[in-house]
Amino acid sequence: NAGVTQTPKFRVLKTGQSMTLLCAQDMNHEYMYWYRQDPGMGLRLIHYSVGEGTTAKGEVPDGYNVSRLKKQNFLLGLESAAPSQTSVYFCASTRQQSGNTIYFGEGSWLTVV
Amino acid sequence: ELKVEQNPLFLSMQEGKNYTIYCNYSTTSDRLYWYRQDPGKSLESLFVLLSNGAVKQEGRLMASLDTKARLSTLHITAAVHDLSATYFCAVDRGSNYKLTFGKGTLLTVNP
Repeated sequence: NAGVTQTPKFRVLKTGQSMTLLCAQDMNHEYMYWYRQDPGMGLRLIHYSVGEGTTAKGEVPDGYNVSRLKKQNFLLGLESAAPSQTSVYFCASTRQQSGNTIYFGEGSWLTVV
Repeated sequence: ELKVEQNPLFLSMQEGKNYTIYCNYSTTSDRLYWYRQDPGKSLESLFVLLSNGAVKQEGRLMASLDTKARLSTLHITAAVHDLSATYFCAVDRGSNYKLTFGKGTLLTVNP
């Protein structure tokens, strides 16, 4: 059972570089999310998607873009990385059902120097 | 704006003791989630609480929800070292299952 898989797990970027984080889920979930986790804080929602071809902004969307071209994949892009984007990024997914469990990936550690 | 507050943020307890973690939230919500996170790991779902008065138990952990008081509790019974982790509560904002998280409670269970 793969569940929610994130790649890469670790990445070091220089300021101004771009990169894409990939999230893949094999549970046929409609909803997918990207969160970031910073020390001493809970997770904060960056962007989310309620279905293939749709995306929406979350709580902290600035500096990020997303795409959901396929139902199973949700991509998070950093066009011009900044040190403030050093964080641990978590992808999550769930189905459209009350009482649903929201599943999280294993996290992607990103350092911007 | 929905705010979620957990307390305590740090909890050190002895094995065999009982304790409660509290989660208060600021606006009406009918869904509350509890997660466990081990250092460097993902979030593991513990409980999903859907309605007022909901109570769920799994092993030494029991969670409850009072939507009128906007309060959820996570009660630990006879703690063991394996329960050492960070526990997060998260509240559904009401649509699309978007979660607002508390800051987490770092639980350390000492022998």
